[in-house]
Amino acid sequence: DTEVTQTPKHLVMGMTNKKSLKCEQHMGHRAMYWYKQKAKKPPELMFVYSYEKLSINESVPSRFSPECPNSSLLNLHLHALQPEDSALYLCASSQGRGGPGETQYFGPGTRLLVL
Amino acid sequence: AQTVTQSQPEMSVQEAETVTLSCTYDTSESDYYLFWYKQPPSRQMILVIRQEAYKQQNATENRFSVNFQKAAKSFSLKISDSQLGDAAMYFCAYWPGANSKLTFGKGITLSVRP
Repeated sequence: DTEVTQTPKHLVMGMTNKKSLKCEQHMGHRAMYWYKQKAKKPPELMFVYSYEKLSINESVPSRFSPECPNSSLLNLHLHALQPEDSALYLCASSQGRGGPGETQYFGPGTRLLVL
Repeated sequence: AQTVTQSQPEMSVQEAETVTLSCTYDTSESDYYLFWYKQPPSRQMILVIRQEAYKQQNATENRFSVNFQKAAKSFSLKISDSQLGDAAMYFCAYWPGANSKLTFGKGITLSVRP
């Protein structure tokens, strides 16, 4: 099973709202990733968590706040977003130990629209 | 910095025919992973095939195979017996390994003609 789940599938929010995106995997992976993807473009890395600790932050604005409460769950808290933040947000996970078989598996994404 | 280049923005193939998607990359590392991901309009990013740089043998997955040329830093994807369901955007990606940045090419939109 290589399933990564994301909720919600769609989200519409105003610029003053606070919302959260959720990502979950039960593959025993210890690395989890958030990506932002605009239409017809490749995903752009936002954050990497390794063993529940933030290991990479790609200079993402503070209105995006990641959280990894446990090894299976990854959240992305959203606050005071701008219309240009509208995009598909993808979560991915990988074993996190390197070596043979290390692969990033993606969830179906959350389509976010900021009004 | 690593870069991945997919120079063709679009390609078209007749159903049941074979098509090859090109990808080149640049790195100074000797150990890394290469991937092809497929993203249909339904948006899920699906792993098509993976290649570990230390393996000389080209990876194959059913109708999908790669031509990995490490010295030339080339990683092309061959789709045999193309099916309508193969229509999607395909991304080539380079990855040094766990907890590092996955670098994508710009992607190529593949259409399949019935």
